[in-house]
Amino acid sequence: EAEVAQSPRYKITEKSQAVAFWCDPISGHATLYWYRQILGQGPELLVQFQDESVVDDSQLPKDRFSAERLKGVDSTLKIQPAELGDSAMYLCASSPNRQNTEAFFGQGTRLTVV
Amino acid sequence: QKEVEQDPGPLSVPEGAIVSLNCTYSNSAFQYFMWYRQYSRKGPELLMYTYSSGNKEDGRFTAQVDKSSKYISLFIRDSQPSDSATYLCATYSSASKIIFGSGTRLSIRP
Repeated sequence: EAEVAQSPRYKITEKSQAVAFWCDPISGHATLYWYRQILGQGPELLVQFQDESVVDDSQLPKDRFSAERLKGVDSTLKIQPAELGDSAMYLCASSPNRQNTEAFFGQGTRLTVV
Repeated sequence: QKEVEQDPGPLSVPEGAIVSLNCTYSNSAFQYFMWYRQYSRKGPELLMYTYSSGNKEDGRFTAQVDKSSKYISLFIRDSQPSDSATYLCATYSSASKIIFGSGTRLSIRP
């Protein structure tokens, strides 16, 4: 069964360091999402791609966060410098297209900033 | 006001009970409604989605949408300990952004 792959599963980093997360969506899925989920809360959208283009990054803290999907396939989310408040689960999801109702999530990367 | 509101619980019920999970939403333009289940330390998995008003049944799960009151529900019949998880309601904005509720933590006691 096709899955959204994310790595690493867990990451501990010191504040002010750089950290990167990787996502490989289900093959053929044009839409890719990065969400952040703080413990006890629902996921909140950080950035949405349609193929290689960003369609929504309104909630992405652009002073420290960046995301790319250069060839419209896999994607990288970077934080530099990391802050204590960035500790959360970072979830990647993909969907066949923007109009499709089913988004499939990866297992997430749990980030702890110390 | 959040676009999707959900009681965070926790909710604890005995095995075999009927569970009712509920959300409200603010924008009458929302059309698609989804329920995701999330086990501890895992990503959310899609349980069910519905379009507009009405009911949709899948095994022990029933999703219900009442657009007149902007209310969405998930019912679980014959609840099992394996149903213990966090349940997230969600909808699509006009920009195809998935908006989630805060999640309800459910525990089924054997």
